[in-house]
Amino acid sequence: DTEVTQTPKHLVMGMTNKKSLKCEQHMGHRAMYWYKQKAKKPPELMFVYSYEKLSINESVPSRFSPECPNSSLLNLHLHALQPEDSALYLCASSREGSGANVLTFGAGSRLTVL
Amino acid sequence: GQQLNQSPQSMFIQEGEDVSMNCTSSSIFNTWLWYKQDPGEGPVLLIALYKAGELTSNGRLTAQFGITRKDSFLNISASIPSDVGIYFCAGITGNQFYFGTGTSLTVIP
Repeated sequence: DTEVTQTPKHLVMGMTNKKSLKCEQHMGHRAMYWYKQKAKKPPELMFVYSYEKLSINESVPSRFSPECPNSSLLNLHLHALQPEDSALYLCASSREGSGANVLTFGAGSRLTVL
Repeated sequence: GQQLNQSPQSMFIQEGEDVSMNCTSSSIFNTWLWYKQDPGEGPVLLIALYKAGELTSNGRLTAQFGITRKDSFLNISASIPSDVGIYFCAGITGNQFYFGTGTSLTVIP
């Protein structure tokens, strides 16, 4: 199994809602990542978990809250988002626990904030 | 942070033509990667390069790790409609991973 699986594929939420994005990998990778991507732009790093511990937070607003329940799962909890947070959210994983590794990406979750 | 500049920014080509794109930086990288992203999907790794001067092929795709370690090139031969998408280079140096600005490819049947 060489996939990173993300759910849901599409999510529409209001600014007062609370929702979560989920990511799962079964490749035995030790690092997992959240990226945000706007149309026709490269992905921007948000968070990195290394060996289930948060190792990088790229000054992301607190309305985004990551969680890594175990080495295979990564969640992104969303609360009180703004319309400008609408984007494609990508999960990725890598074999080792540092940022300097080949990343395997999921298909993404398309988020629309109304 | 590091800036990886890709050129061209976009390309419109006829089916069957060859494609060349490149990625340049002012800094040295230890690894160069090329990803392709289809609309609404995540990036998919095409080729990974680990040594300066390395030339690697994957079907109709060929990529090279520049001798100076500051650039990389991707060529696609005999393009087909499913080659449409955005191609991102990525460079790894130290413990950091950087994406390029992307090249959007349109193939006209």
